[in-house]
Amino acid sequence: DAGVIQSPRHEVTEMGQEVTLRCKPISGHNSLFWYRQTMMRGLELLIYFNNNVPIDDSGMPEDRFSAKMPNASFSTLKIQPSEPRDSAVYFCASSLHGTDNEKLFFGSGTQLSVL
Amino acid sequence: SQQGEEDPQALSIQEGENATMNCSYKTSINNLQWYRQNSGRGLVHLILIRSNEREKHSGRLRVTLDTSKKSSSLLITASRAADTASYFCATGTASKLTFGTGTRLQVTL
Repeated sequence: DAGVIQSPRHEVTEMGQEVTLRCKPISGHNSLFWYRQTMMRGLELLIYFNNNVPIDDSGMPEDRFSAKMPNASFSTLKIQPSEPRDSAVYFCASSLHGTDNEKLFFGSGTQLSVL
Repeated sequence: SQQGEEDPQALSIQEGENATMNCSYKTSINNLQWYRQNSGRGLVHLILIRSNEREKHSGRLRVTLDTSKKSSSLLITASRAADTASYFCATGTASKLTFGTGTRLQVTL
């Protein structure tokens, strides 16, 4: 299994531009998570999907952030317009059923720099 | 907000020594997980301990859980340079797993 695949690996953009981050979860996993990691705030859960449906988006910081999961094998996190404070590493993770006592499998992350 | 806090924030040891890092959390839990993050990489699950367990082993890893003190510890025995990484504890439900602040472990030759 290839694991959770994220793209791009690095993204540098200018303030005001639209940014789209992509994630392919592990085949057969029903739950998908988007996390953001910064030095100041650590790892923050942004949104959680189960069976392609957004269940909890309370961690999404602002309306500038949106996430979709059109099918079981693909999810996007979009920031429009981007701001310098959005600079962070964004991780996608998946788990088999989304039940307690399950472990998360993380992708390698997208390092986002907004200038 | 972070549910857990690791202690110490940073730890430097020599290869062959044992490394112990601690995690304190705030609310009651069903289980607690430990993850490792190598520099520039995603987190990797190490071990999960349930609330009714007090100790669990996996290879060179030993995890303890004290629910009365709301704390857990991760012990890495006979450390290797490859153990250099950040270690995080995580608690919460399946839909809302929250991570601690992490301990940065440096293992030198």
